[in-house]
Amino acid sequence: QTVVTQEPSLTVSPGGTVTLTCAFSTGAVTSGYYPNWFQQKPGQAPRALIYSTTNKHSWTPARFSGSLLGGKAALTLSGVQPEDEADYYCLLYYGGAQVFGGGTKLTVL
Amino acid sequence: EVQLVESGGGLVQPGGSLRLSCSASGFTFTNYAMFWVRQAPGKGLEFVSTLNTNGATTYYADAVKGRFTISRDNSQNTLSLEMSSLRLDDTAVYYCVRGAGYYSYHGMDVWGQGTTVTVSS
Repeated sequence: QTVVTQEPSLTVSPGGTVTLTCAFSTGAVTSGYYPNWFQQKPGQAPRALIYSTTNKHSWTPARFSGSLLGGKAALTLSGVQPEDEADYYCLLYYGGAQVFGGGTKLTVL
Repeated sequence: EVQLVESGGGLVQPGGSLRLSCSASGFTFTNYAMFWVRQAPGKGLEFVSTLNTNGATTYYADAVKGRFTISRDNSQNTLSLEMSSLRLDDTAVYYCVRGAGYYSYHGMDVWGQGTTVTVSS
């Protein structure tokens, strides 16, 4: 069974930098898994942030960036704002289908 | 403005059937793969199904394979999800999601607001 693992929770101070990661049970995450990242705030539909590892959507704030780091997909937030407090999900393409990670709850404190 | 509007959710008994629809507007529907994603109460996101631009290629999560059928009507800009043999653990908000490009491997970009499916006796 394919499992995508994210940190369950992280805490960051306003103005700080934090990196969320996304690991795959099959092995190292590569660009061939086309990692995507999504943000979801309570009571709202998810919003796409990053596609194909590093690409931002037109609405994605500049402080969000995607990369590969140590065999994982990574989402880095630089200069964190209070409104960045949310759940973050990664998504990997695998075998024609897609697999979501369990999500990271980011607290800005 | 790109819009995805889901409909068809509701309360259904275990073993029952339901058909979800998603009306798309504001973009060239035939240029994008489409997805259904669900979220059970208090849980994370779960991929349900995807299909390519002409509907000829489909993929399903193991949890719904054989019970759910995804389809699209490119003449009506509509995505559908036919759900049968519904189980209690199918209870979730179901989101219609546009692909981030022509192929499903690009991922997802625009999300609808979701429609709630509740399976209960």
